[in-house]
Amino acid sequence: AQKITQTQPGMFVQEKEAVTLDCTYDTSDPSYGLFWYKQPSSGEMIFLIYQGSYDQQNATEGRYSLNFQKARKSANLVISASQLGDSAMYFCAMRGATGNQFYFGTGTSLTVIP
Amino acid sequence: DAMVIQNPRYQVTQFGKPVTLSCSQTLNHNVMYWYQQKSSQAPKLLFHYYDKDFNNEADTPDNFQSRRPNTSFCFLDIRSPGLGDAAMYLCATSTRGRGSNQPQHFGDGTRLSIL
Repeated sequence: AQKITQTQPGMFVQEKEAVTLDCTYDTSDPSYGLFWYKQPSSGEMIFLIYQGSYDQQNATEGRYSLNFQKARKSANLVISASQLGDSAMYFCAMRGATGNQFYFGTGTSLTVIP
Repeated sequence: DAMVIQNPRYQVTQFGKPVTLSCSQTLNHNVMYWYQQKSSQAPKLLFHYYDKDFNNEADTPDNFQSRRPNTSFCFLDIRSPGLGDAAMYLCATSTRGRGSNQPQHFGDGTRLSIL
């Protein structure tokens, strides 16, 4: 069975500082993908970054990077130089190599403090 | 721009009165999903289509049904909405590519209220 765990219900970060949002996962699939989404209070889900299980390097997209530790089954999102607009819910999700389902964590609410 | 469009953005219906939410996409993706999301919770998958193949989640109530008349459109029908069905409904699309590297693309959601 696939499972995503986000243990931080809420996080606070000072503007311009970096923050790490934790995500651990459990799967028996040898190949899988890990995704992070941002959901502002307006409700839309925005795709941020992807990490493949066989990727040798950690994914980066602008201010977002993914700290992927395969042996520990963790895929933490790092946001550098936080901005007020980063305040939102953040969801970690996983997709297996077969099938179409995505498995979501419970989310972390990030608040950026001016 | 290729996108996923949900209409309406806000929907109010009466208790027990059928309601239909719509989703269209210009991405030509072969997989379409419907999620229910309640406040401060993760999205809960109701069902998805892979092309015309319908996949219902085991715990999706019978009250929820879906139609996908063509690749571009997918509808969520709630036959007799109850107060517990008030939520945000998210439509998403994806492709069944090689491996697992295809993300989901979401619409802006429809926020459903029940009077």
